[in-house]
Amino acid sequence: DAGVTQSPTHLIKTRGQHVTLRCSPISGHKSVSWYQQVLGQGPQFIFQYYEKEERGRGNFPDRFSARQFPNYSSELNVNALLLGDSALYLCASTRKGPEAFFGQGTRLTVV
Amino acid sequence: AQSVTQPDIHITVSEGASLELRCNYSYGATPYLFWYVQSPGQGLQLLLKYFSGDTLVQGIKGFEAEFKRSQSSFNLRKPSVHWSDAAEYFCAVGAEIYNFNKFYFGSGTKLNVKP
Repeated sequence: DAGVTQSPTHLIKTRGQHVTLRCSPISGHKSVSWYQQVLGQGPQFIFQYYEKEERGRGNFPDRFSARQFPNYSSELNVNALLLGDSALYLCASTRKGPEAFFGQGTRLTVV
Repeated sequence: AQSVTQPDIHITVSEGASLELRCNYSYGATPYLFWYVQSPGQGLQLLLKYFSGDTLVQGIKGFEAEFKRSQSSFNLRKPSVHWSDAAEYFCAVGAEIYNFNKFYFGSGTKLNVKP
C-alpha cells in the first residue's frame, strides 16, 4: 500500500500570494491532519479532518483553511502568504486511534 | 496544558556508543507517547509508540523507550549507535477524543554520530 502522499514536494511563492497543498491519506484512513514545521522546531498542529468534517484547529490565523474530499484526500490553503509561513507542511493520516502516519511534507518557501 | 520537552537540542555520540534521548511531557490523562525520526528534508518516521501495558517498548532500528509515569518521562535509548542514526528525533504526546486526534511535539534533538 502507498503511504501518505503530498504534493508538491517543494514550491516557492511570493509574499501576498495564495498556495494550495495537497495530501492523499493511506487507503482506508478517513482522518487527515496538517502540521506546520518551522525550521528548527517541532511540528505544530494546524487542522484535523475526519469524514470530511473539521474536528480540530490549532492556533493559526484565518488565512489558513483546509477541506477534505469524499475520497478523504485533503487540501490546505494559505492566503496572503507571509515570510513566516515558510515551513515544511506535513500531512498525517489516521485510521483509528491516535497513531498517525506522516507524509514526506511540502517545503514552502515564501520570498 | 499539554507540552513536551526535549532538553537536549544537540547530542553527539561516537559510533558504537550507547544513546539516550530525554523526553518529558505534561498531560492531564494517560498519554499516548511516540518517538519519531526525521532525516533532513524528510517527513517523520515512527520509531516506536506507547499506549498502555509494558512500560518498556521496542521499536524499529534497535531503539527502545521506557515510560516512567512518576517522572513524566519517555526516554529513547539505543545500546549501540550506527552512523545512519544521525538525524533529528522528536518525542510526541498524542491525544484522541471522539475521532479527534492531535499531537504535541517537542522541539527535537539533533543527533550527530562521530566515526
